[in-house]
Amino acid sequence: EAGVVQSPRYKIIEKKQPVAFWCNPISGHNTLYWYLQNLGQGPELLIRYENEEAVDDSQLPKDRFSAERLKGVDSTLKIQPAELGDSAVYLCASSPRSLQGRSSYNEQFFGPGTRLTVL
Amino acid sequence: LAKTTQPISMDSYEGQEVNITCSHNNIATNDYITWYQQFPSQGPRFIIQGYKTKVTNEVASLFIPADRKSSTLSLPRVSLSDTAVYYCLVVQTGANNLFFGTGTRLTVIP
Repeated sequence: EAGVVQSPRYKIIEKKQPVAFWCNPISGHNTLYWYLQNLGQGPELLIRYENEEAVDDSQLPKDRFSAERLKGVDSTLKIQPAELGDSAVYLCASSPRSLQGRSSYNEQFFGPGTRLTVL
Repeated sequence: LAKTTQPISMDSYEGQEVNITCSHNNIATNDYITWYQQFPSQGPRFIIQGYKTKVTNEVASLFIPADRKSSTLSLPRVSLSDTAVYYCLVVQTGANNLFFGTGTRLTVIP
């Protein structure tokens, strides 16, 4: 079974330029997450999708970040314009179970991430 | 939001059992405790999840006391390949955030 696929793996851009990251979750996984991870820190949730609906985007800096998950499968995270402080690893994860409802059981499957460097 | 506290780092020799304890004093009734492992340049990998008492799988055991205010991840007979960062999370039903914290950096020494 293929895992979560992310592209590109590495991206170097100059500040004020736009950048986009793509994620293809595991087939059948309705829940999709985007995280940001700074060096030496744990992942920080940016946005969570249940199918095509963004059910939690409270941590997404909406002035420059945007995300979409058309048709409830692939997802794209965009930054426009990028700033120096956006340099980090951007992780995508998917899960076969939703955090809605009565169960909190949650196993997330992470992709390898995209390492962004903003110069 | 039930945040967690765990040691920043631990060292262990190969072949020993390693126990990593996590505190989560504000855990709610319906919350689950989840542990992830992360190697450099990779995304985190799910290890184990539990609600109470003891959970065991092929990789680790998770011990949760009756008050559920802490939990202990137990790795039996660690090898060099177990060197990684281990994250403890408390997952809430309908959570608005999933907080990983800074994790525990485990270094296994030959």
